[in-house]
Amino acid sequence: GDSVTQMEGPVTLSEEAFLTINCTYTATGYPSLFWYVQYPGEGLQLLLKATKADDKGSNKGFEATYRKETTSFHLEKGSVQVSDSAVYFCALGHYNQGGKLIFGQGTELSVKP
Amino acid sequence: DTEVTQTPKHLVMGMTNKKSLKCEQHMGHRAMYWYKQKAKKPPELMFVYSYEKLSINESVPSRFSPECPNSSLLNLHLHALQPEDSALYLCASSQPPGGVLEKLFFGSGTQLSVL
Repeated sequence: GDSVTQMEGPVTLSEEAFLTINCTYTATGYPSLFWYVQYPGEGLQLLLKATKADDKGSNKGFEATYRKETTSFHLEKGSVQVSDSAVYFCALGHYNQGGKLIFGQGTELSVKP
Repeated sequence: DTEVTQTPKHLVMGMTNKKSLKCEQHMGHRAMYWYKQKAKKPPELMFVYSYEKLSINESVPSRFSPECPNSSLLNLHLHALQPEDSALYLCASSQPPGGVLEKLFFGSGTQLSVL
């Protein structure tokens, strides 16, 4: 079945450092790919998405490119802030599966001043 | 209004109690979801309603009973829960999937403790 694998955390960075969180997937067909973020005490928020190969999703300085050849969707940000501290989830879904998302295990990011 | 509102935010219940979780959205979304999330784990899908009809039940035990009274409301009725059911319960909504999978809007969740 489909699956998503993320790099394990926690990841600790200093403010203004470069961020990469790796995400790879196994799926049949052509899934849509997502990054969701969960701040402490809150639900998940969509950070960005890509619906087909070579699409780049971007939002709030974060970017991820849908790479079908490497089955990857790595999250990057050039300069993190303390306010980016959260748990990040990579996810995939197929439009013909009723909105069901398959999430990776999550990567906790802690940014220090 | 781009919010999904869940009540209560916290709930403590005994194993013999009956309680309900409530979820409301006014974005006109016709798909609504219940997820369960254990600490430091990803959300696990429980149920999906599409156009007020149950479309996905991920083999959830019958002590969890979902209900969708109308297009804006989603309930989760709880009865005879076990301590291992303690978790954060998240509600989400979206437009029903068409050619592209729509994003989910999540509520802040109900933190449930079963004693």
